[in-house]
Amino acid sequence: AQSVTQLDSHVSVSEGTPVLLRCNYSSSYSPSLFWYVQHPNKGLQLLLKYTSAATLVKGINGFEAEFKKSETSFHLTKPSAHMSDAAEYFCVVHSGGGADGLTFGKGTHLIIQP
Amino acid sequence: DAGITQSPRHKVTETGTPVTLRCHQTENHRYMYWYRQDPGHGLRLIHYSYGVKDTDKGEVSDGYSVSRSKTEDFLLTLESATSSQTSVYFCAISETPRDQPQHFGDGTRLSIL
Repeated sequence: AQSVTQLDSHVSVSEGTPVLLRCNYSSSYSPSLFWYVQHPNKGLQLLLKYTSAATLVKGINGFEAEFKKSETSFHLTKPSAHMSDAAEYFCVVHSGGGADGLTFGKGTHLIIQP
Repeated sequence: DAGITQSPRHKVTETGTPVTLRCHQTENHRYMYWYRQDPGHGLRLIHYSYGVKDTDKGEVSDGYSVSRSKTEDFLLTLESATSSQTSVYFCAISETPRDQPQHFGDGTRLSIL
């Protein structure tokens, strides 16, 4: 069994300040972990993925995430927020090797204050 | 962007009517998925396909059926729509189920009155 918990439903930061979106997971197997972003009325776009290589993963648009097995966490960060980062972010886990899709967190709504 | 087209993009219908949503891909990926997105729930898997005529149930499959007669098309059918099936539906594709991220269509917004 696998599950994902996004610890904040909403995060608000000022433009130019750091972003931290928190994600904890549970998995019976060595997981693959992903962060997706969804802008209004759009589908999901992959930001970055972890698949058992380097624990610090760099993604698009300046985002990165660190896989910490001891803490079962995969937090998403960005050094400096931009107005265009305002969106919904989903932490996602896939484990077990089966073709039964991904397990999604409930999402974190990122608000960027001018 | 991955070539995924969902149709229709918006639909309003009445309770008890049948509804079919279509997902069309041009990537020749083996795996196709249907999800629904509801506020506070993220995305939840309805059904998925691992090849032509090969499908299986996901987490929230009750009230839905699917068919895949060609690699490129994956249909989701609501045999008798209910108001609880009002949602945004997303199709996704992937080359492999594990290490490859799934690519998503832009969604179908379905309202059942």
